[in-house]
Amino acid sequence: GQNIDQPTEMTATEGAIVQINCTYQTSGFNGLFWYQQHAGEAPTFLSYNVLDGLEEKGRFSSFLSRSKGYSYLLLKELQMKDSASYLCAVKDSNYQLIWGAGTKLIIKP
Amino acid sequence: DAMVIQNPRYQVTQFGKPVTLSCSQTLNHNVMYWYQQKSSQAPKLLFHYYDKDFNNEADTPDNFQSRRPNTSFCFLDIRSPGLGDAAMYLCATSSGTGGESQPQHFGDGTRLSIL
Repeated sequence: GQNIDQPTEMTATEGAIVQINCTYQTSGFNGLFWYQQHAGEAPTFLSYNVLDGLEEKGRFSSFLSRSKGYSYLLLKELQMKDSASYLCAVKDSNYQLIWGAGTKLIIKP
Repeated sequence: DAMVIQNPRYQVTQFGKPVTLSCSQTLNHNVMYWYQQKSSQAPKLLFHYYDKDFNNEADTPDNFQSRRPNTSFCFLDIRSPGLGDAAMYLCATSSGTGGESQPQHFGDGTRLSIL
């Protein structure tokens, strides 16, 4: 079966750096997405990786290793508004998006 | 601003009473999706359309149906809602055939409660 694994919850301090990991086992790979979802709201797109390496976008960066079936989302200079769930999603060989359950990130002052 | 709009934001219905959720988009995207999401769970794909080509996920209950009368609008019909159907329902759109790197754009969702 297809599977996306992420930690259920993480806690970090305002101003710090946090890394959220995602491992995947899917039938084929056509790209990996990271979304942010605040409580009670819809997911919003953060980043896309299809080649190995690091994609940087302001305070957020996303890394992919296809050979290891592994990605991480790196958040720098954490702000209270970054408290949210972060969902990892992979497009499989049929171009269907397989979603992880998300990592709830709690930021403390 | 171009966007995905879902109405209503909150919907309460009675057990077994049919309910329809609506979604409209001004992005002119050809692909539209309906997801069900329960608390702390991954979004679960119910249906998607490539243009008018309807795709029903294998494990979507028969109780759920969908209509897309034109590019801009899509509806989710729940014929006889049960308590287990209480969830957030998310509509999303994307451009292209779905094979590209285009992300999905989500509406704010409709939170459905069943009495």
